[in-house]
Amino acid sequence: AQKVTQAQTEISVVEKEDVTLDCVYETRDTTYYLFWYKQPPSGELVFLIRRNSFDEQNEISGRYSWNFQKSTSSFNFTITASQVVDSAVYFCALSETGSGNTGKLIFGQGTTLQVKP
Amino acid sequence: KAGVTQTPRYLIKTRGQQVTLSCSPISGHRSVSWYQQTPGQGLQFLFEYFSETQRNKGNFPGRFSGRQFSNSRSEMNVSTLELGDSALYLCASSFWGRANNEQFFGPGTRLTVL
Repeated sequence: AQKVTQAQTEISVVEKEDVTLDCVYETRDTTYYLFWYKQPPSGELVFLIRRNSFDEQNEISGRYSWNFQKSTSSFNFTITASQVVDSAVYFCALSETGSGNTGKLIFGQGTTLQVKP
Repeated sequence: KAGVTQTPRYLIKTRGQQVTLSCSPISGHRSVSWYQQTPGQGLQFLFEYFSETQRNKGNFPGRFSGRQFSNSRSEMNVSTLELGDSALYLCASSFWGRANNEQFFGPGTRLTVL
């Protein structure tokens, strides 16, 4: 069955520290997509990145980087030199192409990141 | 262009009542999905509509229903409200509602059931 696990419920760091948010997924599909979303206190989920199951290339976008490892079914997210504005809840999500390929997102429980000044 | 809008933003109801939430997707997007967010269960998929047809449904009781109009706007309805229905209801839109589509989320409707 499909499942996304974010084992870290809450993480607290001091500004400028690096932090990694873990995400482990389960799926039987061979073609699937993984996402990271950020939810600031305002509540609206903001898209950060999408990876497909055939592309294990790591990606870097500014202070953000993502490490996708199919062998361990993980899609981890690292923030380098964290800032107070990074404080939010971060969600990892899975979307499968089976069962009609309708874009249903399966979310992890989320990791609350607090960056202290 | 304008993002996903949801109305109302906040709602207070009592047990047994029914409620209708509205979602206007980004212009041009034909797929609308609904999610329920609670502290205990997290973010859970409710249903997805594309071109006025429900294509997928999550594991929720029949009290939860929805529809989509020809202009892609969507509504969801919850009948016979229970205390456990208190949640943030999020709507998301995408062009085709496919697995690889980025979904754009609205600000949500915060429903409180007393």
